[in-house]
Amino acid sequence: GNSVTQMEGPVTLSEEAFLTINCTYTATGYPSLFWYVQYPGEGLQLLLKATKADDKGSNKGFEATYRKETTSFHLEKGSVQVSDSAVYFCALYNQAGTALIFGKGTTLSVSS
Amino acid sequence: NAGVTQTPKFQVLKTGQSMTLQCAQDMNHNSMYWYRQDPGMGLRLIYYSASEGTTDKGEVPNGYNVSRLNKREFSLRLESAAPSQTSVYFCASSGQLNTEAFFGQGTRLTVV
Repeated sequence: GNSVTQMEGPVTLSEEAFLTINCTYTATGYPSLFWYVQYPGEGLQLLLKATKADDKGSNKGFEATYRKETTSFHLEKGSVQVSDSAVYFCALYNQAGTALIFGKGTTLSVSS
Repeated sequence: NAGVTQTPKFQVLKTGQSMTLQCAQDMNHNSMYWYRQDPGMGLRLIYYSASEGTTDKGEVPNGYNVSRLNKREFSLRLESAAPSQTSVYFCASSGQLNTEAFFGQGTRLTVV
């Protein structure tokens, strides 16, 4: 079935550093791909998405490109801020399209 | 603009007690979900409901029951709570297939 694997954390960076969080997927067909973010004490919220191969999702300075050749959807940001400290989840729908499947999450900690 | 509302936010139960977690959405979404979040495990799907009147098991359904009361509401019941059910529970909803899901703020449940 469909699945996602994302890099283990935690990731610790200084403010203004470059961020990459790796995510690879296994899927039948080309489902939409998502990155969600969870700030401390809160629920998950959508950060960005891509609905087909070669699409680039972007939001709040974060970007991710849907690459079918490498089955990847890596999250990047050129200059992180302390306020980006959170847990990031890569996700896609199951084969039937009826439920979201999440990676285990990557904790990002940014210090000033 | 409430989105997805979960109650309660916090709960402590004794082993063997029962309780129902409530969830309601005001976005006219067809699909609703219950996930649990545990350290190092990401989010795991407990049950989902693809439409009013239908429910299906997810990855970790044992020890839980659900009811899709109407299109707005999807409740999760623990009949006899166990310490292994200590977790943070999230309800979510989505519209059409393969679209983003919206999450509630979570319920932090402790079973002692």
